[in-house]
Amino acid sequence: EDQVTQSPEALRLQEGESSSLNCSYTVSGLRGLFWYRQDPGKGPEFLFTLYSAGEEKEKERLKATLTKKESFLHITAPKPEDSATYLCAVQGGGKLIFGQGTELSVKP
Amino acid sequence: GAVVSQHPSWVICKSGTSVKIECRSLDFQATTMFWYRQFPKQSLMLMATSNEGSKATYEQGVEKDKFLINHASLTLSTLTVTSAHPEDSSFYICSARESSSYNEQFFGPGTRLTVL
Repeated sequence: EDQVTQSPEALRLQEGESSSLNCSYTVSGLRGLFWYRQDPGKGPEFLFTLYSAGEEKEKERLKATLTKKESFLHITAPKPEDSATYLCAVQGGGKLIFGQGTELSVKP
Repeated sequence: GAVVSQHPSWVICKSGTSVKIECRSLDFQATTMFWYRQFPKQSLMLMATSNEGSKATYEQGVEKDKFLINHASLTLSTLTVTSAHPEDSSFYICSARESSSYNEQFFGPGTRLTVL
């Protein structure tokens, strides 16, 4: 059964304090791993798609990496505006399987 | 690019009434649209997959007669919650996948449904 587990559930950082979010997955035939950002009361905002182990993508202070079993979302020198819930999802067949998300809070 | 809209953004209705939610892909054609439900502090749960011009495929446990989905064009899908009850109150989010892209889904802003 396809499964996605994110850790930690919640993460509190001081502004400028870099950290990483983890997404562990099991899927038969990975067709893509996705990272989304979701603000309260809003729909998920697409961040990255990763397709194969070793792949990395960057966007501003965010960098996503992928291995055969997990993905990391690295946040470098975060700012308060990076506070949100970060969702990881995998696609094996035609649909996305989401993790529970990591709620990130960055304090000034 | 890849913008998805939903209407309304929030709706309050009385128990027993029906509510229709629209999902539109504004700048691309979407052969496939998805409907999710999200309860507070929980992740997204897929309700159904909708392909343009064909019947929707519902996930296990989702009542197809209660949640009617129509995907009549490449830019519009609708979800109708029939005979809504308070337990149907939730955040409903649609997503759309571009015809030329097999994988990436782009999400709408969501619709908050409250059933009194």
